[in-house]
Amino acid sequence: AQKITQTQPGMFVQEKEAVTLDCTYDTSDQSYGLFWYKQPSSGEMIFLIYQGSYDEQNATEGRYSLNFQKARKSANLVISASQLGDSAMYFCAMREGDGNKLVFGAGTILRVKS
Amino acid sequence: DGGITQSPKYLFRKEGQNVTLSCEQNLNHDAMYWYRQDPGQGLRLIYYSQIVNDFQKGDIAEGYSVSREKKESFPLTVTSAQKNPTAFYLCASSMLPGESNQPQHFGDGTRLSIL
Repeated sequence: AQKITQTQPGMFVQEKEAVTLDCTYDTSDQSYGLFWYKQPSSGEMIFLIYQGSYDEQNATEGRYSLNFQKARKSANLVISASQLGDSAMYFCAMREGDGNKLVFGAGTILRVKS
Repeated sequence: DGGITQSPKYLFRKEGQNVTLSCEQNLNHDAMYWYRQDPGQGLRLIYYSQIVNDFQKGDIAEGYSVSREKKESFPLTVTSAQKNPTAFYLCASSMLPGESNQPQHFGDGTRLSIL
């Protein structure tokens, strides 16, 4: 079974609007962490935001926020006020327990339109 | 500036040839990782190391080998046994478990192609 599922292969958003990228996960661990990374066309992976399974508040980092719904096992990334530079591939990833391996989803390509 | 340096940026391999991808970090991280990314797909873990002179296989280790003789360096060799080596290879590093909210930091990657 897929541990990380990103159901949207591609998304379009109008500049200055908000967009939500979906991520659902599967784990039996009580302790886990969820990460979002951005990969521009140049290839580097840029860390955006982290949510721990015991965190009571949704994580926020500037224009990025995480809509964490633990019971539904979802950790959707919300990008507010989209910019042209947000066009990239976005990956959701999970770390289980006290390990440090990450499992990645297949990614979502986001295109911001002017 | 602290970071992870991968070289070369582009690499071409002939049939039957072993090639080595370099990864160096100056972040003082204990853990290092190698991932493979195929077009339009997510990252898959090849090997990882949490301490010098020790490393573990990831999900797709067959046809690859690594070494960790220094904390700063974690080279990946793509051997001739890897029949489909064309991919984008990413190296990462992180603090050890226990610092669970610490992300993995990535290099800029190496694109490997078969001639």
